[in-house]
Amino acid sequence: GQQLNQSPQSMFIQEGEDVSMNCTSSSIFNTWLWYKQDPGEGPVLLIALYKAGELTSNGRLTAQFGITRKDSFLNISASIPSDVGIYFCAGHKTSYDKVIFGPGTSLSVIP
Amino acid sequence: DTAVSQTPKYLVTQMGNDKSIKCEQNLGHDTMYWYKQDSKKFLKIMFSYNNKELIINETVPNRFSPKSPDKAHLNLHINSLELGDSAVYFCASSRMLANTGELFFGEGSRLTVL
Repeated sequence: GQQLNQSPQSMFIQEGEDVSMNCTSSSIFNTWLWYKQDPGEGPVLLIALYKAGELTSNGRLTAQFGITRKDSFLNISASIPSDVGIYFCAGHKTSYDKVIFGPGTSLSVIP
Repeated sequence: DTAVSQTPKYLVTQMGNDKSIKCEQNLGHDTMYWYKQDSKKFLKIMFSYNNKELIINETVPNRFSPKSPDKAHLNLHINSLELGDSAVYFCASSRMLANTGELFFGEGSRLTVL
């Protein structure tokens, strides 16, 4: 079946540092999405990317849709304690397809 | 106002029991989903309904039966609970016609089977 890989699996960083994580797939997707899950909550959409090569920002977050349509990365600049959580990438093909989630990257920020 | 709400938030029960989790969304979306998140945090889709019609049914045991009385509600009934059913179950919704993978999740229902 379709599978997404995320790296790193987990990371511990100092407050103020920049963070980079990525997501790869053996399949092509038409949409790449990044979700964040806070402890005890459901995932929340951060950024959605719809076009190969697209670079999109949302505050301190920047994400890119890979040219091959098989990968995406997410950067977080100047991390703060509330950035702690699990970041999931997700891929989607068409309206009637399911959304496939990666295994997540767990981020811890040390004040 | 909670967009996607699930009840109960926590559920502890014995093996062999039957239990239900309810979900309601007030976003006016056409499509609703159930996802299962295991102890390793993997999120896996179980079911998807569009306007009360089953669209996606992953390889889920027959003990799991979703029911959608209207497009704003999707409930999950689980018969003969097993230890491996322990997980967090998330309900989600999306706008079907413009569905680009943008999902709105509830807060989750943590099921513990003893």
